[in-house]
Amino acid sequence: QPALTQPPSASGTPGQRVTISCSGASSNIGSNSVIWYQQLPGAAPKPLIWNNDERPSGVPDRFSGSKSGTSASLAISGLQSKDEADYYCGAWDASRNHWVFGGGTKVTVL
Amino acid sequence: QVQLVESGGVLVKPGGSLRLSCAASGFVFRNYYMSWIRQPPGKGLEWVSYINSGGDYTKYADSVKGRFTISRDNVENVLYLQMNNLRDADTAMYYCTRELGNRGLESWGQGTLVTVSS
Repeated sequence: QPALTQPPSASGTPGQRVTISCSGASSNIGSNSVIWYQQLPGAAPKPLIWNNDERPSGVPDRFSGSKSGTSASLAISGLQSKDEADYYCGAWDASRNHWVFGGGTKVTVL
Repeated sequence: QVQLVESGGVLVKPGGSLRLSCAASGFVFRNYYMSWIRQPPGKGLEWVSYINSGGDYTKYADSVKGRFTISRDNVENVLYLQMNNLRDADTAMYYCTRELGNRGLESWGQGTLVTVSS
């Protein structure tokens, strides 16, 4: 059972805004930064958002992250077909003393 | 630029052993914590193990404790994962990752596939 909880799927039409939630606990999201990863089909995960809301160089500003308490969310605005991928949230867990992840959300562009 | 290249993944029988390697380049390897993350086919990400920059502190997921050993060579810039007494449940893509503070696991290799099957 993943330590962080994500919906298994999300979808939208091109141009729409999609939001993915990630729920955790005080030992992980509540006290540490959240990282969001994008995994395109057949590829390795790639950081999309780090430190809750910062975009690595090269990531379009259509992707944004936020955190409140023990929950975080990833928003994709102006949805494009190339955004079809699995998205994972992750955080350091101070109780477990290791990284934890959500179960992943598959985003489909209708 | 940062490059992490894993190797060593093969088909192995239950109870067998395997050593994965991750060749690092493009950065000062000895300055960074490193982790192994795995992903069973069609499933999510699971943290497996990490090692500190000097190689004298390690930690393991309960599912692999006592069977896997992480190590590093800070001269040759290589991260290792020795896997013993392999089980079907260890079948997964294994990724080598670099850790950087609030950026988390911010660099990933392409992965190496370990298949445990009789």
